[in-house]
Amino acid sequence: EAGVAQSPRYKIIEKRQSVAFWCNPISGHATLYWYQQILGQGPKLLIQFQNNGVVDDSQLPKDRFSAERLKGVDSTLKIQPAKLEDSAVYLCASSPIRDRPSNEQFFGPGTRLTVL
Amino acid sequence: GEDVEQSLFLSVREGDSSVINCTYTDSSSTYLYWYKQEPGAGLQLLTYIFSNMDMKQDQRLTVLLNKKDKHLSLRIADTQTGDSAIYFCAERSRTALIFGKGTTLSVSS
Repeated sequence: EAGVAQSPRYKIIEKRQSVAFWCNPISGHATLYWYQQILGQGPKLLIQFQNNGVVDDSQLPKDRFSAERLKGVDSTLKIQPAKLEDSAVYLCASSPIRDRPSNEQFFGPGTRLTVL
Repeated sequence: GEDVEQSLFLSVREGDSSVINCTYTDSSSTYLYWYKQEPGAGLQLLTYIFSNMDMKQDQRLTVLLNKKDKHLSLRIADTQTGDSAIYFCAERSRTALIFGKGTTLSVSS
């Protein structure tokens, strides 16, 4: 079974530029998550999708971040414009069913963003 | 609010046991998790424990839960160099997982 795929793996941009990350979850997984992991910290949830609907985006800085999951499969996370403090690893995760007791989330390798 | 605290570093010798500790604040958490992150990789679920359990054992891993003190620990028996990684404790809160900052485990041969 293929894992969660993310691209690009690395991205370097200058502040005020735009950037987009792509995630392809495990086939059949209904729930998709985007996390931000700043160096030295644990992942922090940005947004959660159930199929193509948003379940939780309370911690997404909506003035500059946006995300979509058209057709309930792939997802794109965009930052426009980027700030220095957005430098982080952006992790995508998926799980089969939101209310599965173990709530096991399968993580992709992440995209490391550096904002100069 | 919800918060998960972990010690930041642990250094052990190969063959010894490692114990990584974690405290959490949300007493309504139903599940608690341990994830492992190797350099350049995503997080991998190691094990989880339901809040009505005190202990869970899975091969070399033992999870202990003290619900009264909101304390969780992960014991790795016979630690190997391949166990060197960052270990994250996480609690489930409504729809999200709340992660600690991670404990870096360094195993020397």
